[in-house]
Amino acid sequence: NAGVTQTPKFQVLKTGQSMTLQCAQDMNHEYMSWYRQDPGMGLRLIHYSVGAGITDQGEVPNGYNVSRSTTEDFPLRLLSAAPSQTSVYFCASSYSTSGRAGELFFGEGSRLTVL
Amino acid sequence: AQSVAQPEDQVNVAEGNPLTVKCTYSVSGNPYLFWYVQYPNRGLQFLLKYITGDNLVKGSYGFEAEFNKSQTSFHLKKPSALVSDSALYFCAVRPSGSARQLTFGSGTQLTVLP
Repeated sequence: NAGVTQTPKFQVLKTGQSMTLQCAQDMNHEYMSWYRQDPGMGLRLIHYSVGAGITDQGEVPNGYNVSRSTTEDFPLRLLSAAPSQTSVYFCASSYSTSGRAGELFFGEGSRLTVL
Repeated sequence: AQSVAQPEDQVNVAEGNPLTVKCTYSVSGNPYLFWYVQYPNRGLQFLLKYITGDNLVKGSYGFEAEFNKSQTSFHLKKPSALVSDSALYFCAVRPSGSARQLTFGSGTQLTVLP
């Protein structure tokens, strides 16, 4: 089972550059989300989607864009990278039905450094 | 707004001893509560959840958690710790019957000493 696949695993950017973090899941999950993990701060939600064509902002959306053209894919775009965006990024997916919502399946993470 | 507090950044326990990782929450209405575990350089893995019913919830790898509504707590427990349980543990909450997303605590590093 592939589960949730994130690419790349590591990336170094210069301030002002743009890039896209890719996320794909093969479990037919309706719900997908992006989190960033910073030391001592836990995970903070950036953007999420409850289905193809539907996205919404989370807790820390500034500087990031998302789209959901298919059920499987949920890319995260950094428009103009800043050092404050240095972090580990996790994509997660789940069923959206009430009893299963919250049982997130996470990717392995993408470690981003912005110089 | 919903929130989760994990008051201990670090918990150390000897192998074979019982372990407890603490979590308190704040949410409007009834909570859905979750525990996740993260091993080094890996994504988080779902351990267990409380939705409704029995206050003692059993999950993966011998872990269990006790929901206490009056103390707004959801502490993670295991009767006998293993060295392999050493990892970062996250508590998370969201309100039931709502589309609001999960809010995670800051995490507790559990170290089980041989």
